[in-house]
Amino acid sequence: DIQMTQSPSLLSASVGDRVTINCKASQNINKYLNWYQQKLGEAPKLLIYNTNNLQTGIPSRFSGSGSGTDYTLTISSLQPEDFGTYFCFQHNSWPTFGAGTKLELK
Amino acid sequence: EVKLAVHGGGLVEPGSSLRLSCVASGFTLGDYYMEWVRQAPGKGLEWIAATRNRAKDYSAEYSVSVNGRFTISRDVSQNILYLHMNNLKTEDTGIYYCARDGGIRSFDYWGQGVMVTVSS
Repeated sequence: DIQMTQSPSLLSASVGDRVTINCKASQNINKYLNWYQQKLGEAPKLLIYNTNNLQTGIPSRFSGSGSGTDYTLTISSLQPEDFGTYFCFQHNSWPTFGAGTKLELK
Repeated sequence: EVKLAVHGGGLVEPGSSLRLSCVASGFTLGDYYMEWVRQAPGKGLEWIAATRNRAKDYSAEYSVSVNGRFTISRDVSQNILYLHMNNLKTEDTGIYYCARDGGIRSFDYWGQGVMVTVSS
């Protein structure tokens, strides 16, 4: 199985900050990388699919980039509703999620 | 409006069986790949099962952790997706979500999740 290593596991930030979350795959995943946001007690929400495609209805402050084994989710200007946990997800082969990055208010 | 409503969770003993239902509305279940994802308490997400659409004969695939014990099926006349879980283990405890695959494994709609607790 492809292992997905997310970093950091915990990120403290303030409203207005630019934040980046990283995901490293154990092998090339050919940009088959999605990002999900999960808030406490809720189901995950799709933000980005296939590295850099913004899901319908998701604000443009969210963006994704990467290739090969290294991928990044960027939030350009953090808003209060953005706090939660973010998971990367590879679907190049048997699907696997990263362990998550908890984004909390500094 | 697309909605997914998951039912059937509960507390069961190890070795028991349980069936989860995911009632879909706002779209035709047969047209989409559908997935099951679970989350152990306080942990991350784990993909466990998928079924392809009508065009792909509803073929299924499973994670190693549930293969041979869980079966995914659907009743397209009722627009319901099922997850049949047999020989449940304590490590199967968690919240179970169904999700619609909007294309190339982009899970665009999710059910609310139900808790399954396997304990003696």
